[in-house]
Amino acid sequence: EVQLVESGGGMVQPGRSLRLACTASGFTFGDYTMGWVRQAPGKGLEWVAFIRSKAYGGTTEYAASVKGRFTMSRDDSKTIAYLQMNSLKTEDTAVYYCTRVTLLAPDYWGQGTLVTVSS
Amino acid sequence: DIQMTQSPSAMSASVGDRVTITCRASQDISNYLAWFQQKPGKVPKRLIYAASILQSGVPSRFSGSGSGTEFTLTIGSLQPEDFATYYCLQHNSYPFTFGQGTRLEIK
Repeated sequence: EVQLVESGGGMVQPGRSLRLACTASGFTFGDYTMGWVRQAPGKGLEWVAFIRSKAYGGTTEYAASVKGRFTMSRDDSKTIAYLQMNSLKTEDTAVYYCTRVTLLAPDYWGQGTLVTVSS
Repeated sequence: DIQMTQSPSAMSASVGDRVTITCRASQDISNYLAWFQQKPGKVPKRLIYAASILQSGVPSRFSGSGSGTEFTLTIGSLQPEDFATYYCLQHNSYPFTFGQGTRLEIK
């Protein structure tokens, strides 16, 4: 059974940093592109970032709203995907979902972790 | 960036109704479109990928069609469990973009 478990969310002040982790199980993690999607309270879904598998270079893609501030990485030996979030803004407040990606679209989703950016 | 516009933003319908939701892309995205269902307080679920391929385990009353810039999600006969918010996602070019969502409510 595919499982994705996010951790690392919480409350942080504007300008500070936070690192989210997504621990995966139930599939061969290293074979898949992984991603993050977020949802601000009461709002719609926003695609945030992807990281390709090592077979496809392990390269990353980011939404314009987070490019230069967020960095996605992966540790295939630990089956964990990370999202390093720097220079956080109040508009980054959201539930962050970790996703597995097949055919370029998220298929499995974690339960999400809430990030609140507030002074 | 490619803009995705869903219509309607909200609608009400009755059990047994046939419902169609439309998603329009600001430029050609071929068939790189997926549909997701999200119930209140729950995680999104992929229903359709590649515009028309039904995700395994999704009831056959759901169907998708379209290519280029116009796409539709159709629910053949609404069931009580189908009342939710539906989102389209273009995955043709980065950054990927979601539509704003269509909230489907019980009439």
